[in-house]
Amino acid sequence: QVQVQESGPGLVKPSETLSLTCTVSGGSVSPNYWSWIRQPPGKGLEWIAYINYSGSAKYNPLLKSRVTVSVDTSKNQVSLQLSAVTAADTAVYYCARHVSHDTTGFEFLGNWGQGTLVTVSS
Amino acid sequence: DIQMTQSPSTLSASVGDRVTITCRASQSISSWLAWVQHKPGKAPKLLIYKASTLDSGVPSRFSGSGSGTQFTLTISSLQPDDFAAYFCHQYISSPITFGGGTKVEIK
Repeated sequence: QVQVQESGPGLVKPSETLSLTCTVSGGSVSPNYWSWIRQPPGKGLEWIAYINYSGSAKYNPLLKSRVTVSVDTSKNQVSLQLSAVTAADTAVYYCARHVSHDTTGFEFLGNWGQGTLVTVSS
Repeated sequence: DIQMTQSPSTLSASVGDRVTITCRASQSISSWLAWVQHKPGKAPKLLIYKASTLDSGVPSRFSGSGSGTQFTLTISSLQPDDFAAYFCHQYISSPITFGGGTKVEIK
């Protein structure tokens, strides 16, 4: 069973860069796509970006200018960087694996990490 | 982006009750909808994909139905372990978008 675990600093100062890592165990980052999703306190879920094992990525247009996602197949990890953070970026950040059970190509979020709370504050 | 509207936002129920949660999409998503259960501090857990297919190991008291723009998640007989938050997400198009969530509380 694939396990997903997010890690990173719980506190980031305004204007700095938030960096998180998603470590995959019980399986490989290949050949799936992996998404980052966040949930600010008291608000709904927001998709941030996805990437696959070869580094092909897509970003939420609202965050695209500040987001970078990367993959390290040797470490079985996916990473997220969000620059120039503000208090509005305070959220629980989740990593999730895209899964498909047929040949249509439509993929749902099948495995999630428990999330990591990142607070932006000086 | 496809907007997902989920209702109710909170639901109070008792063990043994039949519970129904609804997700509505702003445009047709065929059957490309998943339901996820989320307990505090735990990883969200996939329950249902393709609107009505139970993921492996999910109890049969959970069921999903619908297509197009209207979908429901039903718990036929609520168990103590089912008190949690539930949300839907569509995956027909990028970006994946989510319902606002439903918190199922003990009555």
